[in-house]
Amino acid sequence: QKEVEQNSGPLSVPEGAIASLNCTYSDRGSQSFFWYRQYSGKSPELIMFIYSNGDKEDGRFTAQLNKASQYVSLLIRDSQPSDSATYLCAVNPSNQFYFGTGTSLTVIP
Amino acid sequence: ETGVTQSPTHLIKTRGQQVTLRCSSQSGHNTVSWYQQALGQGPQFIFQYYREEENGRGNFPPRFSGLQFPNYSSELNVNALELDDSALYLCASSLGGDKNIQYFGAGTRLSVL
Repeated sequence: QKEVEQNSGPLSVPEGAIASLNCTYSDRGSQSFFWYRQYSGKSPELIMFIYSNGDKEDGRFTAQLNKASQYVSLLIRDSQPSDSATYLCAVNPSNQFYFGTGTSLTVIP
Repeated sequence: ETGVTQSPTHLIKTRGQQVTLRCSSQSGHNTVSWYQQALGQGPQFIFQYYREEENGRGNFPPRFSGLQFPNYSSELNVNALELDDSALYLCASSLGGDKNIQYFGAGTRLSVL
């Protein structure tokens, strides 16, 4: 079992819609959870981080964490073509850092 | 712009050679982590340095080694290069600790022929 699992997609949504990205993790000791965006040929860019159960909102982005279900998600409201990228989920148990393989998102104008 | 700089940006080596990649951390950050990202995959954690000591390591062989200097910059060394070492190598800096919010440099693209 991989430490972090993501649906690789591709996920396509029309412009203006809500994109929902999901991630599950295996290490119950994980305390920190991150979402990164990676454009093709570029390095990962931090979008959101969350530590506590519940929702955390930042502009058009909302991260949701459920530690009991070992599940973290990212919602992107009013999706824009510029949001088209690969979204990486990452967890940080102790001094390790695990990334999922990423979900490819395409926002169709 | 994260303030994390990596050099070189691209590198071509042949199998069996050795390579050194460099990273300057963001000002104020004392923790540097290195990752290997193969095409179509997520970054794989190689190791983490905190105040010049390795304090976390992923599932990579000993031929992957590193250093962190007093100014918190870092090097990744890879000996006896193999074809499968061809990848994007990413450096990330952070303040470490429980939260460990990491910011990435632009990466070094290594090709092993």
